[in-house]
Amino acid sequence: QLQLQESGPGLVKPSETLSLTCTVSGGSISSSNYYWVWIRQPPGKGLEWIGTIYYRGSAYYNPSLKSRITISVDTSKNQLSLRLSSVTAADTAVYYCGRQVYSSGWHIDYWGQGTLVTVSS
Amino acid sequence: NFMLTQPHSMSESPGKTVTISCTRSSGSIASNYVQWYQQRPGSSPTTVIYENNQRPSGVPDRFSGSIDSSSNSASLTISGLKTEDEADYYCQSYYSGNPGVFGGGTKLTVV
Repeated sequence: QLQLQESGPGLVKPSETLSLTCTVSGGSISSSNYYWVWIRQPPGKGLEWIGTIYYRGSAYYNPSLKSRITISVDTSKNQLSLRLSSVTAADTAVYYCGRQVYSSGWHIDYWGQGTLVTVSS
Repeated sequence: NFMLTQPHSMSESPGKTVTISCTRSSGSIASNYVQWYQQRPGSSPTTVIYENNQRPSGVPDRFSGSIDSSSNSASLTISGLKTEDEADYYCQSYYSGNPGVFGGGTKLTVV
């Protein structure tokens, strides 16, 4: 059974960089059939797509966040990472990682449990 | 590029049937698959419908999905409502260069 687990600081100061890691277990991040995705959800609000990456590095980013995002994959550790720079209170959210099936309508078939990141001084 | 619009909230009684819509702003709804996710409070989303009308294993057949070209919308229908169906529901689709177009979500109350 595939499992995804987000990890990283729960509190980040304004203007600093948010860094999160998603560890994939029970399957390989290098599988040719899947992409890997970051999604966030501000408290009490809806889901917002951040970006999607293939293990070989090709990626798609939300245009509204693109200038501040870096998403990467470490196949040796079976992990994907998210860096979001110059954060503000508006970046406070639960951040989820997931697996996306590009051959199935970009369906997200597995999600991590999510991690809350609060931006505050 | 397009957006997906859902009703903000809906309410129905146990045992009844509810249909949640997801309207595509431009382009044909039939051009790209639509998924539906259920999110209960404090939990991660889970798939109830993918590829417009496919149910993952373990999802009851009370959940069904469809698309309607005349209204350019996708729909999630839940029949025989149970209190456990009370949750937020999100539709999701995609276009070239953007695999993560989400609707704003619908809060379903079962009372």
